[in-house]
Amino acid sequence: KQEVTQIPAALSVPEGENLVLNCSFTDSAIYNLQWFRQDPGKGLTSLLLIQSSQREQTSGRLNASLDKSSGRSTLYIAASQPGDSATYLCAVWSAGNMLTFGGGTRLMVKP
Amino acid sequence: DTAVSQTPKYLVTQMGNDKSIKCEQNLGHDTMYWYKQDSKKFLKIMFSYNNKELIINETVPNRFSPKSPDKAHLNLHINSLELGDSAVYFCASSQDQTGTPNNEQFFGPGTRLTVL
Repeated sequence: KQEVTQIPAALSVPEGENLVLNCSFTDSAIYNLQWFRQDPGKGLTSLLLIQSSQREQTSGRLNASLDKSSGRSTLYIAASQPGDSATYLCAVWSAGNMLTFGGGTRLMVKP
Repeated sequence: DTAVSQTPKYLVTQMGNDKSIKCEQNLGHDTMYWYKQDSKKFLKIMFSYNNKELIINETVPNRFSPKSPDKAHLNLHINSLELGDSAVYFCASSQDQTGTPNNEQFFGPGTRLTVL
C-alpha cells in the first residue's frame, strides 16, 4: 500500500528566502507525481505534474524534482513571498489506480 | 468560466438525512473523481468515473452512491448521514484515466458537509 509523507508538516520563513518542501513515497512504481497548493477553505490548485520518466518540472519560481528510485520529490520555491503562504500537498499515482496524498506542509511566509 | 464547480459550498444537516452534492466540469475531461478531506486534512479518493463508468470504488460505505448522468457531471448522494461523514468533499477531473500520463487533476472548490 502506497504511503506518502511530507516533511516538514509546517514551516515559517521570512519573505525572500528560498525553501524546499520534501515528499517521500514508499512504492516507487508510480505513474506520476503532482504538487498542489491549498489555500484555507479553498480547493486544490495544481502546481506541477511530473511524469515517472521525468526528473524535474519548472513553473515560474517553482521547481519540482523527482527521484523515483529513492521514492522522493522536492518542491523548491525561490524568493518566497507572503502570497505563497498556503498548504502544499504532494500526491502520487501508483499501481492500483490510486492517487495517494501526503499530509501536506503548511507554509507561512512572513513579510 | 469555472473549470470544476460544486454545489453547494456548505451543507449543514441532521443525522439520518439524505443529501446530494453536485459536480460539473467544463474542461471536456473524460474522468471525474470524488475525494474526502477529513478534519486532519488528509485527502482520500472515494470514487472515480471514466466516461460515466465506475472505475474506482475505495472501501466507501454503500450509503454513498455516485451518479454520472454524463461525462461532465458526477454527483454524490449520501443516505442516512452519520456524524463521521462530516468533512470537505472535493470533486476533481482529468483528461484521461488513472494510470495514464495525461491525468493531471483539477479540483473543485469543495463542499463542507457538517452533520449534526
